[in-house]
Amino acid sequence: DAGVIQSPRHEVTEMGQEVTLRCKPISGHDYLFWYRQTMMRGLELLIYFNNNVPIDDSGMPEDRFSAKMPNASFSTLKIQPSEPRDSAVYFCASSHERAYDTGELFFGEGSRLTVL
Amino acid sequence: GNSVTQMEGPVTLSEEAFLTINCTYTATGYPSLFWYVQYPGEGLQLLLKATKADDKGSNKGFEATYRKETTSFHLEKGSVQVSDSAVYFCALPSGAGSYQLTFGKGTKLSVIP
Repeated sequence: DAGVIQSPRHEVTEMGQEVTLRCKPISGHDYLFWYRQTMMRGLELLIYFNNNVPIDDSGMPEDRFSAKMPNASFSTLKIQPSEPRDSAVYFCASSHERAYDTGELFFGEGSRLTVL
Repeated sequence: GNSVTQMEGPVTLSEEAFLTINCTYTATGYPSLFWYVQYPGEGLQLLLKATKADDKGSNKGFEATYRKETTSFHLEKGSVQVSDSAVYFCALPSGAGSYQLTFGKGTKLSVIP
């Protein structure tokens, strides 16, 4: 079975440009999470969806960040305009309803973003 | 909400050495506890879990015991290998009934031959 698929794996852009990160969760998973990983702050939850509906976006750093999930098999995280401090690895993860007990989030390989 | 604190890294060990990575938690009730591992260039993956007090989770030679008296879930391995070099994260549900996990900051382990 295919795992969580993220694209692009690497993105280098200049400050002020729009960045779009993409995620395809595992088929049948009800929950989708976007995390950001940096050396300073570790792994931070940005937003998560349940059945395509955003449930908690309190981790989204500011209005420059937005996320959508138009259907069960696709989600995007957009940064507009991008800033150097947005440089990080962005992970998408998905899970099914029993994650509270199983703890099993399935992570993609991440998108490494560098903003110059 | 729930939180977790794990030891700062990095940790460097020689092959076949004993490993301990400390993790303590603060939580409402007794949630399940987890260790995740992140190999270089990859996403996180579940390493082991324990769902109730005194449970021992184990996988790939790693073990961790859920101790409610000390609110701890330390990761141990008796003899590490070079292939165990990775970042290890302690995690727990963010709150009662939550479907999202709160992760520790991660501990980077390097094993040298």
